[in-house]
Amino acid sequence: QVQLQESGPGLVKPSETLSLTCTVSGGSISSYYWSWIRQPPGKGLEWIGYIYYSGSTNYNPSLKSRVTISVDTSKNQFSLKLSSVTAADTAVYYCARDDLYCTNGVCYRAFDIWGQGTMVTVSS
Amino acid sequence: EIVLTQSPGTLSLSPGERATLSCRASQSVSSSYLAWYQQKPGQAPRLLIYGASSRATGIPDRFSGSGSGTDFTLTISRLEPEDFAVYYCQQYGSSTGTFGQGTKVEIK
Repeated sequence: QVQLQESGPGLVKPSETLSLTCTVSGGSISSYYWSWIRQPPGKGLEWIGYIYYSGSTNYNPSLKSRVTISVDTSKNQFSLKLSSVTAADTAVYYCARDDLYCTNGVCYRAFDIWGQGTMVTVSS
Repeated sequence: EIVLTQSPGTLSLSPGERATLSCRASQSVSSSYLAWYQQKPGQAPRLLIYGASSRATGIPDRFSGSGSGTDFTLTISRLEPEDFAVYYCQQYGSSTGTFGQGTKVEIK
């Protein structure tokens, strides 16, 4: 079955760029959307943005100016870059398969497979 | 941006009881893009319901979803010990995703 695994530094300094990678195993990255979602300690979930395997993206308007999501289909990976980080960006970062499928004229969309999450702390 | 408001914030119930969780949207949401997730401490969220009322693969039938427009409900018919967790609703509107703030279902 498809599994996702986040990787990247657990500590990032303020004003620097947070970089994470999600590796997809057990299936192809093609034909799907893929999202990044984060969760500050003790708080709720925040959608960061998605990328389609072809490279098209869409971001949360509140983060859009600082976010870049990219895909490497040859490695079955997609990545997140978040620039100019502050302590408010400290969170568990999840990657997720953003499944959009259509049947009988109706389209459905949900995050059906998640990585285990990786904690990123922003601190000097 | 569509805001999802979940209520109550915390639900204190005993095993075997019925849980009813509410998710209200600030404007109409496409039902096919409304989902519910369960999250236990230290774990990633798990998809329970998509399309407002369809159970995801492997989800027990004690979980059910309903609603349309701006009002959606997740019902757990008889709480099992493993159901005590935080539940989030989520929607996709204009290709932008938003989550509710969550409802914690705790043991009374």
